[in-house]
Amino acid sequence: GENVEQHPSTLSVQEGDSAVIKCTYSDSASNYFPWYKQELGKGPQLIIDIRSNVGEKKDQRIAVTLNKTAKHFSLHITETQPEDSAVYFCAASGLSGAGSYQLTFGKGTKLSVIP
Amino acid sequence: EAGVTQSPTHLIKTRGQQATLRCSPISGHTSVYWYQQALGLGLQFLLWYDEGEERNRGNFPPRFSGRQFPNYSSELNVNALELEDSALYLCASSLVKFSGNTIYFGEGSWLTVV
Repeated sequence: GENVEQHPSTLSVQEGDSAVIKCTYSDSASNYFPWYKQELGKGPQLIIDIRSNVGEKKDQRIAVTLNKTAKHFSLHITETQPEDSAVYFCAASGLSGAGSYQLTFGKGTKLSVIP
Repeated sequence: EAGVTQSPTHLIKTRGQQATLRCSPISGHTSVYWYQQALGLGLQFLLWYDEGEERNRGNFPPRFSGRQFPNYSSELNVNALELEDSALYLCASSLVKFSGNTIYFGEGSWLTVV
């Protein structure tokens, strides 16, 4: 099955700086890569996603890049703000043991934006 | 449109008891997923239901079980509760069950076992 590695586990940045979170995946057949943001005490919220036929996608201050050859994808947050502080999870959609596609999550990155 | 809703928000049980958690997916979604998130840890996959059938199961003991109803809502049952079952239980739903399925999470149910 799919295996997703996420780095770093914790990240502290000054307000206004950029933050980058990286993930690698193992299943070359994976074709969908979402990112979730989880604020304290809440469920994860989808913030951006990318499909394997696209190399980069942007949404205001957030961007995701995908390198299919190297099997890694990254989340970029520019001009960070205190409200960006949260845990971020990457995921990859690969074949599960049941023979269907299923999301496999990374272990998460705790981002702290220091005012 | 309502998102994924879960109940109860909080639940306190005694070791050895049973807990039942409920989930209503987004309208039109047929797949429901359950995840366990222990304090400070990642998302551990529990169960996946689609159109009333269990499609996949994570690495959890059989005392974790569930079902999906004809209206696609779902419940998660945890029998013989242990202290380490204390966690946030997240339900998610999706429309497309094959590759590229975006899943949407509820706010979770906090289970505390004492």
